Amino acid sequence: NAGVTQTPKFRVLKTGQSMTLLCAQDMNHEYMYWYRQDPGMGLRLIHYSVGEGTTAKGEVPDGYNVSRLKKQNFLLGLESAAPSQTSVYFCASSSRTSWRSVETQYFGPGTRLLVL
Amino acid sequence: GESVGLHLPTLSVQEGDNSIINCAYSNSASDYFIWYKQESGKGPQFIIDIRSNMDKRQGQRVTVLLNKTVKHLSLQIAATQPGDSAVYFCAERSQGAGGTSYGKLTFGQGTILTVHP
Repeated sequence: NAGVTQTPKFRVLKTGQSMTLLCAQDMNHEYMYWYRQDPGMGLRLIHYSVGEGTTAKGEVPDGYNVSRLKKQNFLLGLESAAPSQTSVYFCASSSRTSWRSVETQYFGPGTRLLVL
Repeated sequence: GESVGLHLPTLSVQEGDNSIINCAYSNSASDYFIWYKQESGKGPQFIIDIRSNMDKRQGQRVTVLLNKTVKHLSLQIAATQPGDSAVYFCAERSQGAGGTSYGKLTFGQGTILTVHP
């Protein structure tokens, strides 16, 4: 049971390039989330998904797209990277078996992205 | 908008002391709170949670206190150890429309806890 995994761990992009970050979870969780973490800003929600085939915008969705084709995977895409997207990206997942479980989000190790 | 903030950005303690990390929240409709620990280079790790109908909850060496009157949350760590050194985040959940919730959390900025041997 690996929990939540993210690939890649680190990536350097040039402005305008595109890339996809992959998140995978093996806990059969319904909910998945993408956050970015910047110094002094805490964790901010980019997009989330409440189930396979559904996605929704979070707090800072501009410049990102997501897809949830399979329950265990949640992809975050940057179509045209900008220096402002330099950040650490975290994926999380949670289940909805109880009032408690829906909130206990389990996080992956993060992806460090540098946009030059 | 909703916000969750911390009174102190850094906290330094000696090994064996008790630590108290504070958090203020602004949304009186928040009904669930979580504390996460984040070590350098790692993702946030769940520590303990508390529902708004409680004012205290205890775990292993940790206690969370909730004061809804002043919208204040605290995390107490007993007998702090060097391995407790990390950034600690509080997070709050507010109920969505119709009482539903998709688990969206609002995080505070974090407090850096440093434990000296």
